[in-house]
Amino acid sequence: SQELEQSPQSLIVQEGKNLTINCTSSKTLYGLYWYKQKYGEGLIFLMMLQKGGEEKSHEKITAKLDEKKQQSSLHITASQPSHAGTYLCGADGAYNTDKLIFGTGTRLQVFP
Amino acid sequence: SQTIHQWPATLVQPVGSPLSLECTVEGTSNPNLYWYRQAAGRGLQLLFYSVGIGQISSEVPQNLSASRPQDRQFILSSKKLLLSDSGFYLCACGGNTIYFGEGSWLTVV
Repeated sequence: SQELEQSPQSLIVQEGKNLTINCTSSKTLYGLYWYKQKYGEGLIFLMMLQKGGEEKSHEKITAKLDEKKQQSSLHITASQPSHAGTYLCGADGAYNTDKLIFGTGTRLQVFP
Repeated sequence: SQTIHQWPATLVQPVGSPLSLECTVEGTSNPNLYWYRQAAGRGLQLLFYSVGIGQISSEVPQNLSASRPQDRQFILSSKKLLLSDSGFYLCACGGNTIYFGEGSWLTVV
């Protein structure tokens, strides 16, 4: 079965610093999703990537999918306290099986 | 865009009692529907997914069950709760993009 690994598991950065979160798949990704979750709340959709080499940005968050479609990164520029939360990557199951599986998440804390 | 309603938001139930969590979706038709559980300190675990009315796929054998009586209604149930059923349950809906409800906190005591 497909597995997603995220790194790092947790991250503490000072406000204004840049950071990167990685998501690696054991199989080719057919669709890669990034979500943000505040503790005890639902997931907020950030971005979805489908094509090898694709890159999308929203405000100060940029997500990339590598050419081989097995790794994605989420980059935050000039982090702010509002960026704090847990970031999760999710992926369509291999061979489009309608399942969406998730990595274990990266907890981000941003201190002033 | 799609809106997902999930209830109840919080639930405290004794061991052995039944469970019913409900999820309804607005703004779409014939969506894929999902139930996930998020235990403390752990990632999202896919429990059930459905591609249509009456069609349920189970990912993890356990004492939970799911039903989809209507196109935009997804119900998570249990006849007898276990302590290990405690967690944060999330309903999700999607096609090209997956959207999540606000979640339901279940504490089994």
